[in-house]
Amino acid sequence: DAMVIQNPRYQVTQFGKPVTLSCSQTLNHNVMYWYQQKSSQAPKLLFHYYDKDFNNEADTPDNFQSRRPNTSFCFLDIRSPGLGDAAMYLCATRIGGTRGTDTQYFGPGTRLTVL
Amino acid sequence: DAKTTQPTSMDCAEGRAANLPCNHSTISGNEYVYWYRQIHSQGPQYIIHGLKNNETNEMASLIITEDRKSSTLILPHATLRDTAVYYCIVTGNTGKLIFGQGTTLQVKP
Repeated sequence: DAMVIQNPRYQVTQFGKPVTLSCSQTLNHNVMYWYQQKSSQAPKLLFHYYDKDFNNEADTPDNFQSRRPNTSFCFLDIRSPGLGDAAMYLCATRIGGTRGTDTQYFGPGTRLTVL
Repeated sequence: DAKTTQPTSMDCAEGRAANLPCNHSTISGNEYVYWYRQIHSQGPQYIIHGLKNNETNEMASLIITEDRKSSTLILPHATLRDTAVYYCIVTGNTGKLIFGQGTTLQVKP
């Protein structure tokens, strides 16, 4: 029944070691988002894909990249994680298109720890 | 996208209605008001949204003032499981969600 799935739920990586987080969806939505949520803060949008079109937020560090090989999957790559990148990473989807259908569906998140 | 202002925290007694206010005085005509909540260590969950009319669903009611500069989310019979951070978000044509700090609702027995 899960609609937006994130794997793994918990990820531990070492300082500077590349890490990839994955997100999949069964909703066939056009839009997929990645958010970063640090402890006691609100989620912050990193980037999103509208179909194959990638849209980066202006203040997203270059260290963060994303890939969307098909409609169902989207990946977040952190090339050289720093201690400040420890956070919950949330994936969300939206159907796209008509205004008023902007509801986003979130996955459970992946909690990243950087040692 | 218009900004929103919410109280940092609120308490509510279990079984009573929880009324969460939100100010969005700079909202423009084509922007919707959305409410999400985030229970601890989970992803945000959609609650309800509206443009100018009041809305109700199985989770909550949304009351939007006539001038659309503020709104209130109503949880009619709060339970302990409604303890969460509630985000009021105004979205424009981009469809993006720009989260503010939200209101931490604590439902107490």
